[in-house]
Amino acid sequence: DIQMTQSPASLSASLGETVTIECLASEDIYSNLAWYQQKPGKSPQLLIYYANSLNDGVPSRFSGSGSGTQYSLKINSLQSEDVSIYFCQQNYDSPFTFGSGTKLEIK
Amino acid sequence: QVQLKESGPGLVQPSQTLSLTCTVSGFSLTSYNVHWVRQPTGKGLEWMGVIWTGGSTDYNSALKSRLSISRDTSKSQVFLKMNSLQTEDIATYYCARGGGLYGSVMDAWGQGASVTVSS
Repeated sequence: DIQMTQSPASLSASLGETVTIECLASEDIYSNLAWYQQKPGKSPQLLIYYANSLNDGVPSRFSGSGSGTQYSLKINSLQSEDVSIYFCQQNYDSPFTFGSGTKLEIK
Repeated sequence: QVQLKESGPGLVQPSQTLSLTCTVSGFSLTSYNVHWVRQPTGKGLEWMGVIWTGGSTDYNSALKSRLSISRDTSKSQVFLKMNSLQTEDIATYYCARGGGLYGSVMDAWGQGASVTVSS
């Protein structure tokens, strides 16, 4: 199984700041990496797929990058509505494993 | 628009079987895959399994011996059955539509079904 190591586990930043979340796959997943946002009490929602493609309706302050085994999610100009847990997921091979999540809070 | 909705009993007795239904609308089960994902309260997401557009299935090996996913395309419903439930199966269970190159980019999710295991 492909293991997904996500860091940090939690993050606190000020409004307007830029934050980055990392995800490391245990083997090459050829950019088959998605990022999901889960707001408190809600279902996860797709943010980014294929490592860097923004899903419809997602603000442009979100961006994804990476290749091979290393990937990152960047949020520019942090807004209050970005308070969420963020998960990465490899879409390359079954079982389609998720990272452990990053809880983002506002300072 | 695309919608998925999970339904089923919220309480299951220990060692009994969980049965959940995912009713979808806005897309066809023969065009998109449907995944099941669960999340214990305050914890991460665990991929459980998938029913592919052709009707075949894949399961998380940790659950494979207890899990079954099936569907009724005429009713736009996907079914999850998992037997021998224990307290570690307490979670919110989601169904999600899967697409993309390998069919596992989950671009629409249900609201989730909360399941408790207790006598």
